[in-house]
Amino acid sequence: NAGVMQNPRHLVRRRGQEARLRCSPMKGHSHVYWYRQLPEEGLKFMVYLQKENIIDESGMPKERFSAEFPKEGPSILRIQQVVRGDSAAYFCASSPPSRGAYEQYFGPGTRLTVT
Amino acid sequence: GEDVEQSLFLSVREGDSSVINCTYTDSSSTYLYWYKQEPGAGLQLLTYIFSNMDMKQDQRLTVLLNKKDKHLSLRIADTQTGDSAIYFCAEKKPSNTGKLIFGQGTTLQVKP
Repeated sequence: NAGVMQNPRHLVRRRGQEARLRCSPMKGHSHVYWYRQLPEEGLKFMVYLQKENIIDESGMPKERFSAEFPKEGPSILRIQQVVRGDSAAYFCASSPPSRGAYEQYFGPGTRLTVT
Repeated sequence: GEDVEQSLFLSVREGDSSVINCTYTDSSSTYLYWYKQEPGAGLQLLTYIFSNMDMKQDQRLTVLLNKKDKHLSLRIADTQTGDSAIYFCAEKKPSNTGKLIFGQGTTLQVKP
């Protein structure tokens, strides 16, 4: 059973460009979470999604950031008009539907560098 | 506030026991977690404990929970160089949100 997959692993964008980060949950998992890790810090929750539904986006910046988890395909975290402060590691986690969102398994992360 | 607090650094000798401590904020938190992060990698779920338990043991790992003091600890017996990593404590509050609140991580250095 493959783990949570994220791609790309490393992404370099110039200021003003768009970044699209993809996450494929573990097989059988229908809940996806996105977290951001700034250098030397712990992870900060961004958003919690189920298929075609945003459950909690309380950690998402109000502008430029959006997330989706379509019926088919991976979850996408999209950052428009990136700025240097967006440079961070972005982690996706998934959990099975029977676990009430408490058992989260993380992917390897996408390290975004904005130049 | 939402701060989960951990000491930043711990150094031990190979073969010794390591104890990593954490204080969390919400006495109503339902689950408390320990994750391990190796350099450049994602987070590996080591273990978690439900809030109605005060201890959980899994091979070399022992988790102790003191709800009164909102204190969580992770003990690693017979620490090996492969245990060198950053260890994150996290809490989950009693709601439908999937939000985990993480500490800033404790870097464990194991000297041979």
